[in-house]
Amino acid sequence: DGGITQSPKYLFRKEGQNVTLSCEQNLNHDAMYWYRQDPGQGLRLIYYSQIVNDFQKGDIAEGYSVSREKKESFPLTVTSAQKNPTAFYLCASSWGAPSNQPQHFGDGTRLSIL
Amino acid sequence: AQKVTQAQTEISVVEKEDVTLDCVYETRDTTYYLFWYKQPPSGELVFLIRRNSFDEQNEISGRYSWNFQKSTSSFNFTITASQVVDSAVYFCALRTSGTYKYIFGTGTRLKVLA
Repeated sequence: DGGITQSPKYLFRKEGQNVTLSCEQNLNHDAMYWYRQDPGQGLRLIYYSQIVNDFQKGDIAEGYSVSREKKESFPLTVTSAQKNPTAFYLCASSWGAPSNQPQHFGDGTRLSIL
Repeated sequence: AQKVTQAQTEISVVEKEDVTLDCVYETRDTTYYLFWYKQPPSGELVFLIRRNSFDEQNEISGRYSWNFQKSTSSFNFTITASQVVDSAVYFCALRTSGTYKYIFGTGTRLKVLA
């Protein structure tokens, strides 16, 4: 079945530690996205990538980093510079064009501080 | 600037009541696309419907219906005879032609009580 796989489902981070969230898609989509969702809040865009080896900052990129070395993979690293990383992280993908295509989402990763 | 407003933070209804979720958008682009997503307690976002800016035809799918009005920049979602399984957070989103970013509203939490 085609879809987006996020792992792990739950992740715990110690102070000063970097952690990486995995996102893999087999939909052959061009674009991939990372969102952060805090309790009772909407989705805030962290980073997005339109094509391999290229990505753009979203609205809250500080303290995060990404890479896009393969079309199907878009890992997100939460660095120690992100002082409040506890949140629900959602990965999504979509066709770059046409623009009327919806995003497909993974099941999310819940990140907590130890 | 582009923006999506979902003014209703939380709505509670009793099962079998009808309920309408409001979505108001802002964009200067003439070609754009609107989406509704459902986020059940499990966390993943599920795509419900897409509407193109040049197609104002309303749509009905079972108990769900959508009312798109360009004159008021609104894309409202009605659930008829609500059920407990409809309890979720619902998001409205906007994407304009030629861009890769989706602009999300803050979501409406719907609670359907048995």
